[in-house]
Amino acid sequence: EVQLVESGGGLVKPGGSLRLSCAASRFTFNSYRMNWVRQAPGKGLEWVSSISKTSTYISYADSVKGRFTISRDNTNNFLYLQMNSLRAEDTAVYYCARDGTYYDVLTGYHYFFDYWGQGTLVTVSS
Amino acid sequence: DIQMTQSPSSLSASIGDRVTITCRASQDISNYLAWFQQKPGKAPKSLIYAASSLLSGVPSKFSGSGSGTHFTLTISSLQPEDFATYYCQHYGSYPWTFGQGTKVEVK
Repeated sequence: EVQLVESGGGLVKPGGSLRLSCAASRFTFNSYRMNWVRQAPGKGLEWVSSISKTSTYISYADSVKGRFTISRDNTNNFLYLQMNSLRAEDTAVYYCARDGTYYDVLTGYHYFFDYWGQGTLVTVSS
Repeated sequence: DIQMTQSPSSLSASIGDRVTITCRASQDISNYLAWFQQKPGKAPKSLIYAASSLLSGVPSKFSGSGSGTHFTLTISSLQPEDFATYYCQHYGSYPWTFGQGTKVEVK
């Protein structure tokens, strides 16, 4: 079965940086769009960023735009999230999620989260 | 941004009950809607995409319906493993947004 394993989380001071990794296995990584989704303690889910198969198309939530950078290594099957200028409100569990694809004859292509990693906790605190 | 609003925020139900959760979008999202289940301390699990299509391996007791701005997730006969928080999410255009969640608890 598809496996996504995040790492790189930890405690960092406000203004600091952290790089998250997501190791992908048991599927053809370069055939799928990938995403980061986060969840603050006791809160709901928030989409953070998406990257296309060849890194051509990248999108960010406004809350992280200009501070976070998503990237991928299709040779070694890794997804990354470089997080700079971290704030207390970035404290969350960060999940990587794969995009499934479905073509609907009426509405076109659908890209939806189909598999999730177990998450890695990022705590921003002084 | 498209706002997704779930109701109720929580509900209490018994084993065997039929449970329905509603999700409303602030504008027409066609059928670009997904549903997820999350248990405490665990990653979300994907259940439904395109409003009504079950992902592989998801039991048929789960069903989704709706289009446009009004969507529902139904669990036909609640089992112990179904007590969890459920989220809807639109993915038609960025930014993708989630509902606030519906916690299904034991009555």
